[in-house]
Amino acid sequence: GENVEQHPSTLSVQEGDSAVIKCTYSDSASNYFPWYKQELGKGPQLIIDIRSNVGEKKDQRIAVTLNKTAKHFSLHITETQPEDSAVYFCAARTGFQKLVFGTGTRLLVSP
Amino acid sequence: SAVISQKPSRDICQRGTSLTIQCQVDSQVTMMFWYRQQPGQSLTLIATANQGSEATYESGFVIDKFPISRPNLTFSTLTVSNMSPEDSSIYLCSVELARNEQFFGPGTRLTVL
Repeated sequence: GENVEQHPSTLSVQEGDSAVIKCTYSDSASNYFPWYKQELGKGPQLIIDIRSNVGEKKDQRIAVTLNKTAKHFSLHITETQPEDSAVYFCAARTGFQKLVFGTGTRLLVSP
Repeated sequence: SAVISQKPSRDICQRGTSLTIQCQVDSQVTMMFWYRQQPGQSLTLIATANQGSEATYESGFVIDKFPISRPNLTFSTLTVSNMSPEDSSIYLCSVELARNEQFFGPGTRLTVL
């Protein structure tokens, strides 16, 4: 079955810097890759997703890139703000199978 | 997106007892899911609950321990039975809308003493 690895486990940046979180997946048939942000005491929030027919997608300060050949995808956050501090999870899905989540990245943005 | 609510938001329970968690969605959805998130960990799927059929459980989870009901297209319950301290976790329900997008509820934070 699908396996998703996520790095780094923790990431500390200064406000205004960029942050990059990377995930690799094992199943070459995976075709849907969402990213979730989980703030303390809350449920995961879908922030952006990408499908296998697209190489990059942007939404304001966040972007996701997908490299199908290398089987990895990344989340990019530019101009980070303290409110970006949270745990971020990547996930991958093959067809109608279940979502498989990465292990999470704790992002801390210092003012 | 969807507005999902869960009750209770948190609870502290004694070992050997059971707790039923409710999940309510503001629109009709076919697919609902229940996840467990142990402290500081990622999300683990417990089961998929589709209306009109038996829930499908993932490896390591059984119906006797985690019975699920799905009486209609906007509501589901998960019961954690005969609880032990190892069941202390966040329990999350989620729904899948069009285009594979999955949205999560706020979670139920369970502590078993």
